[in-house]
Amino acid sequence: DTAVSQTPKYLVTQMGNDKSIKCEQNLGHDTMYWYKQDSKKFLKIMFSYNNKELIINETVPNRFSPKSPDKAHLNLHINSLELGDSAVYFCASSEISGGAEETQYFGPGTRLLVL
Amino acid sequence: AQSVTQPDIHITVSEGASLELRCNYSYGATPYLFWYVQSPGQGLQLLLKYFSGDTLVQGIKGFEAEFKRSQSSFNLRKPSVHWSDAAEYFCAVGDLPNTGFQKLVFGTGTRLLVSP
Repeated sequence: DTAVSQTPKYLVTQMGNDKSIKCEQNLGHDTMYWYKQDSKKFLKIMFSYNNKELIINETVPNRFSPKSPDKAHLNLHINSLELGDSAVYFCASSEISGGAEETQYFGPGTRLLVL
Repeated sequence: AQSVTQPDIHITVSEGASLELRCNYSYGATPYLFWYVQSPGQGLQLLLKYFSGDTLVQGIKGFEAEFKRSQSSFNLRKPSVHWSDAAEYFCAVGDLPNTGFQKLVFGTGTRLLVSP
């Protein structure tokens, strides 16, 4: 019973392509997040959504567009992929709407390699 | 701005020895502090968190951490390390920006290697 799942697990693609990563959580949480982990393992938030509404957008390029069709899903679409987009992308979710003490539950990650 | 520093990039510990991973934070208000672990090829899992009360926090897998406000630290400890503890460990502070929703700010991580 995977709590936060992501597909695909691996993604290898050429520069300039458009790709999507899907995330689903079956925890009944209200808030979902996308993080980017670079080659040095540095983890940085990109977006967060609460009940399908965008809450946080951390100055991510417009080529990245999150979409939340319902509160259990948060997908990430990336246009015109660049070499620097190569990273591991993590989806996460948390239960309560608001509160700095909340626990976030992470998916297994999607390893994106742009050639 | 809030920030988290993990001064040790790598640490090697013998199996059965004790462990301490350092974490320092910079945050204006009462910090909400977390330790997450990332096993190879896996997502992050919460080990423990502090947001109020007793400054010594117990977590899963035998880990504990102590919040020291005077030192702006939240170091992670384990009395006896097992080979399965080899992983990347991330300290984080939970910020509550004007959106009212949590934003986690992570340190750069410490890779723990366990030698036989």
